[in-house]
Amino acid sequence: DAGITQSPRHKVTETGTPVTLRCHQTENHRYMYWYRQDPGHGLRLIHYSYGVKDTDKGEVSDGYSVSRSKTEDFLLTLESATSSQTSVYFCAISESSLRRNQPQHFGDGTRLSIL
Amino acid sequence: AQKVTQAQTEISVVEKEDVTLDCVYETRDTTYYLFWYKQPPSGELVFLIRRNSFDEQNEISGRYSWNFQKSTSSFNFTITASQVVDSAVYFCALSQDSNYQLIWGAGTKLIIKP
Repeated sequence: DAGITQSPRHKVTETGTPVTLRCHQTENHRYMYWYRQDPGHGLRLIHYSYGVKDTDKGEVSDGYSVSRSKTEDFLLTLESATSSQTSVYFCAISESSLRRNQPQHFGDGTRLSIL
Repeated sequence: AQKVTQAQTEISVVEKEDVTLDCVYETRDTTYYLFWYKQPPSGELVFLIRRNSFDEQNEISGRYSWNFQKSTSSFNFTITASQVVDSAVYFCALSQDSNYQLIWGAGTKLIIKP
Protein backbone atom coordinates (compact mmCIF):
# COMPACT_ATOMS: atom_id res chain seq x y z
CA ASP A 1 0.00 0.00 0.00
CA ALA A 2 1.15 3.53 -0.79
CA GLY A 3 2.33 5.36 2.32
CA ILE A 4 -0.35 8.03 2.59
CA THR A 5 -1.74 9.20 5.90
CA GLN A 6 -4.63 11.59 6.25
CA SER A 7 -5.42 13.35 9.49
CA PRO A 8 -7.80 13.67 11.11
CA ARG A 9 -9.89 10.75 9.88
CA HIS A 10 -13.10 12.26 11.24
CA LYS A 11 -13.98 15.78 12.24
CA VAL A 12 -17.13 17.58 13.28
CA THR A 13 -17.06 21.33 13.47
CA GLU A 14 -19.29 24.38 13.29
CA THR A 15 -20.04 26.74 10.46
CA GLY A 16 -17.58 29.61 10.27
CA THR A 17 -14.66 27.87 11.94
CA PRO A 18 -11.34 27.26 10.17
CA VAL A 19 -10.43 23.64 9.39
CA THR A 20 -7.15 22.18 8.21
CA LEU A 21 -6.75 18.68 6.86
CA ARG A 22 -3.33 17.12 6.50
CA CYS A 23 -2.00 14.64 3.99
CA HIS A 24 1.37 13.06 4.65
CA GLN A 25 3.20 10.75 2.23
CA THR A 26 6.30 8.64 2.58
CA GLU A 27 6.68 7.84 -1.12
CA ASN A 28 8.52 11.02 -2.18
CA HIS A 29 6.02 11.48 -5.01
CA ARG A 30 6.00 14.85 -6.71
CA TYR A 31 2.27 15.18 -7.31
CA MET A 32 -0.34 15.46 -4.59
CA TYR A 33 -4.08 16.07 -4.88
CA TRP A 34 -7.08 16.88 -2.75
CA TYR A 35 -10.50 15.60 -3.77
CA ARG A 36 -13.94 15.69 -2.26
CA GLN A 37 -16.43 12.89 -2.68
CA ASP A 38 -20.15 13.54 -2.57
CA PRO A 39 -23.05 11.24 -3.46
CA GLY A 40 -23.81 11.32 -7.19
CA HIS A 41 -20.65 13.28 -8.07
CA GLY A 42 -17.85 10.79 -7.90
CA LEU A 43 -14.62 12.53 -6.96
CA ARG A 44 -14.00 16.17 -7.73
CA LEU A 45 -10.60 17.79 -7.68
CA ILE A 46 -10.17 20.70 -5.27
CA HIS A 47 -6.49 21.58 -5.62
CA TYR A 48 -3.34 19.81 -6.65
CA SER A 49 0.40 20.29 -6.24
CA TYR A 50 3.17 19.51 -8.68
CA GLY A 51 6.01 20.32 -6.32
CA VAL A 52 6.98 22.17 -3.16
CA LYS A 53 5.17 25.53 -3.16
CA ASP A 54 3.69 24.74 -6.59
CA THR A 55 -0.07 24.39 -6.49
CA ASP A 56 -3.01 24.95 -8.77
CA LYS A 57 -6.78 24.98 -8.64
CA GLY A 58 -9.05 22.13 -9.55
CA GLU A 59 -12.69 21.93 -10.48
CA VAL A 60 -14.14 22.96 -7.08
CA SER A 61 -11.53 25.19 -5.46
CA ASP A 62 -13.77 27.99 -4.13
CA GLY A 63 -13.62 28.18 -0.35
CA TYR A 64 -10.45 26.11 -0.10
CA SER A 65 -6.75 26.89 0.04
CA VAL A 66 -3.73 24.61 0.09
CA SER A 67 -0.10 24.72 1.01
CA ARG A 68 2.87 22.50 0.38
CA SER A 69 6.01 23.52 2.22
CA LYS A 70 7.57 20.06 2.14
CA THR A 71 7.42 17.24 -0.39
CA GLU A 72 5.72 14.96 2.08
CA ASP A 73 2.96 17.24 3.35
CA PHE A 74 -0.02 18.78 1.58
CA LEU A 75 -2.46 20.79 3.67
CA LEU A 76 -6.03 21.65 2.78
CA THR A 77 -7.61 24.59 4.61
CA LEU A 78 -11.20 25.69 4.82
CA GLU A 79 -10.84 29.26 6.02
CA SER A 80 -14.47 29.56 7.16
CA ALA A 81 -16.27 26.24 6.89
CA THR A 82 -19.78 26.08 5.46
CA SER A 83 -22.33 23.28 5.57
CA SER A 84 -21.85 22.72 1.82
CA GLN A 85 -18.31 21.60 2.57
CA THR A 86 -19.54 18.60 4.51
CA SER A 87 -18.01 15.75 2.56
CA VAL A 88 -15.44 13.00 2.49
CA TYR A 89 -12.03 14.35 1.53
CA PHE A 90 -9.40 12.21 -0.14
CA CYS A 91 -5.74 12.92 -0.65
CA ALA A 92 -3.95 11.26 -3.56
CA ILE A 93 -0.38 11.05 -4.79
CA SER A 94 1.26 10.10 -8.06
CA GLU A 95 4.85 9.56 -9.13
CA SER A 96 7.24 12.23 -10.25
CA SER A 97 6.41 12.29 -13.95
CA LEU A 98 4.92 14.59 -16.52
CA ARG A 99 3.13 11.66 -18.07
CA ARG A 100 -0.55 11.59 -17.29
CA ASN A 101 -0.76 7.83 -17.19
CA GLN A 102 0.59 7.47 -13.68
CA PRO A 103 -2.16 6.13 -11.46
CA GLN A 104 -3.06 8.07 -8.38
CA HIS A 105 -2.96 6.30 -5.05
CA PHE A 106 -5.29 7.41 -2.33
CA GLY A 107 -5.33 7.91 1.39
CA ASP A 108 -8.14 6.48 3.48
CA GLY A 109 -10.16 9.67 3.50
CA THR A 110 -11.33 12.23 6.05
CA ARG A 111 -15.01 12.47 6.89
CA LEU A 112 -15.79 16.13 7.64
CA SER A 113 -19.12 17.30 8.99
CA ILE A 114 -19.93 21.01 9.24
CA LEU A 115 -22.89 21.70 11.50
CA ALA B 1 -14.97 19.02 -23.13
CA GLN B 2 -13.97 15.97 -21.19
CA LYS B 3 -16.47 13.79 -19.41
CA VAL B 4 -16.92 10.29 -18.04
CA THR B 5 -20.36 8.72 -17.87
CA GLN B 6 -21.25 5.67 -15.84
CA ALA B 7 -24.92 5.32 -16.63
CA GLN B 8 -25.53 2.41 -14.25
CA THR B 9 -26.05 3.88 -10.80
CA GLU B 10 -26.52 0.52 -9.12
CA ILE B 11 -26.37 -3.11 -10.22
CA SER B 12 -27.46 -6.08 -8.17
CA VAL B 13 -26.67 -9.68 -9.16
CA VAL B 14 -26.52 -13.05 -7.50
CA GLU B 15 -23.14 -14.53 -6.72
CA LYS B 16 -21.45 -16.39 -9.60
CA GLU B 17 -23.22 -14.34 -12.23
CA ASP B 18 -21.13 -12.34 -14.71
CA VAL B 19 -21.61 -8.59 -14.62
CA THR B 20 -20.44 -5.74 -16.86
CA LEU B 21 -19.99 -2.17 -15.71
CA ASP B 22 -20.21 0.43 -18.46
CA CYS B 23 -17.99 3.46 -18.91
CA VAL B 24 -18.32 6.00 -21.73
CA TYR B 25 -15.89 8.88 -22.05
CA GLU B 26 -15.57 12.11 -24.01
CA THR B 27 -12.32 13.84 -24.87
CA ARG B 28 -10.82 15.87 -27.68
CA ASP B 29 -7.28 14.71 -26.95
CA THR B 30 -5.76 11.98 -29.07
CA THR B 31 -3.60 10.87 -26.15
CA TYR B 32 -5.46 10.00 -22.99
CA TYR B 33 -5.57 7.42 -20.24
CA LEU B 34 -8.40 5.49 -18.70
CA PHE B 35 -8.56 4.03 -15.22
CA TRP B 36 -10.81 1.91 -13.06
CA TYR B 37 -10.86 2.17 -9.28
CA LYS B 38 -12.72 0.14 -6.69
CA GLN B 39 -14.17 1.56 -3.46
CA PRO B 40 -15.27 -1.21 -1.10
CA PRO B 41 -17.64 -0.52 1.82
CA SER B 42 -14.63 0.27 4.02
CA GLY B 43 -14.16 3.43 1.94
CA GLU B 44 -10.65 3.29 0.54
CA LEU B 45 -10.00 3.75 -3.17
CA VAL B 46 -8.10 0.96 -4.87
CA PHE B 47 -6.47 1.30 -8.27
CA LEU B 48 -7.43 -1.56 -10.62
CA ILE B 49 -6.19 -0.80 -14.12
CA ARG B 50 -4.77 1.85 -16.44
CA ARG B 51 -5.08 1.86 -20.22
CA ASN B 52 -3.70 4.40 -22.71
CA SER B 53 -5.47 5.49 -25.87
CA PHE B 54 -2.99 3.75 -28.16
CA ASP B 55 -3.49 0.32 -26.65
CA GLU B 56 -6.84 -1.18 -27.52
CA GLN B 57 -5.96 -4.66 -26.43
CA ASN B 58 -8.36 -6.10 -23.95
CA GLU B 59 -6.98 -6.86 -20.51
CA ILE B 60 -7.70 -9.85 -18.32
CA SER B 61 -6.68 -10.23 -14.72
CA GLY B 62 -8.16 -13.29 -13.07
CA ARG B 63 -11.93 -12.83 -12.97
CA TYR B 64 -11.64 -9.21 -14.12
CA SER B 65 -11.52 -8.12 -17.74
CA TRP B 66 -11.64 -4.79 -19.50
CA ASN B 67 -12.89 -4.03 -23.01
CA PHE B 68 -11.55 -0.79 -24.52
CA GLN B 69 -13.23 0.34 -27.74
CA LYS B 70 -12.22 3.69 -29.17
CA SER B 71 -14.91 3.48 -31.86
CA THR B 72 -17.60 3.75 -29.19
CA SER B 73 -15.51 5.67 -26.61
CA SER B 74 -16.10 2.95 -24.08
CA PHE B 75 -13.99 1.20 -21.49
CA ASN B 76 -16.18 -1.46 -19.94
CA PHE B 77 -15.33 -3.68 -16.99
CA THR B 78 -16.55 -7.26 -16.63
CA ILE B 79 -16.41 -9.43 -13.54
CA THR B 80 -16.79 -13.12 -14.28
CA ALA B 81 -18.25 -15.46 -11.67
CA SER B 82 -18.89 -12.61 -9.25
CA GLN B 83 -18.28 -13.01 -5.53
CA VAL B 84 -19.70 -11.22 -2.52
CA VAL B 85 -16.30 -9.59 -1.96
CA ASP B 86 -16.71 -7.82 -5.30
CA SER B 87 -19.45 -5.68 -3.77
CA ALA B 88 -18.19 -2.10 -4.00
CA VAL B 89 -18.56 1.14 -5.87
CA TYR B 90 -16.53 1.12 -9.07
CA PHE B 91 -15.27 4.30 -10.67
CA CYS B 92 -14.06 4.91 -14.18
CA ALA B 93 -11.75 7.90 -14.72
CA LEU B 94 -10.03 9.74 -17.58
CA SER B 95 -6.84 11.77 -17.76
CA GLN B 96 -5.56 13.69 -20.72
CA ASP B 97 -2.17 14.88 -21.90
CA SER B 98 -3.45 18.44 -21.90
CA ASN B 99 -3.93 18.75 -18.15
CA TYR B 100 -3.22 17.14 -14.82
CA GLN B 101 -6.76 16.48 -13.85
CA LEU B 102 -8.33 13.09 -13.46
CA ILE B 103 -11.97 13.25 -14.54
CA TRP B 104 -14.19 10.82 -12.66
CA GLY B 105 -17.47 9.14 -13.43
CA ALA B 106 -20.14 9.16 -10.76
CA GLY B 107 -19.53 5.51 -9.98
CA THR B 108 -21.55 2.29 -10.17
CA LYS B 109 -22.56 0.56 -6.97
CA LEU B 110 -22.28 -3.19 -7.43
CA ILE B 111 -24.14 -5.45 -5.03
CA ILE B 112 -23.39 -9.16 -5.12
CA LYS B 113 -25.98 -11.21 -3.26
CA PRO B 114 -25.04 -14.59 -1.82
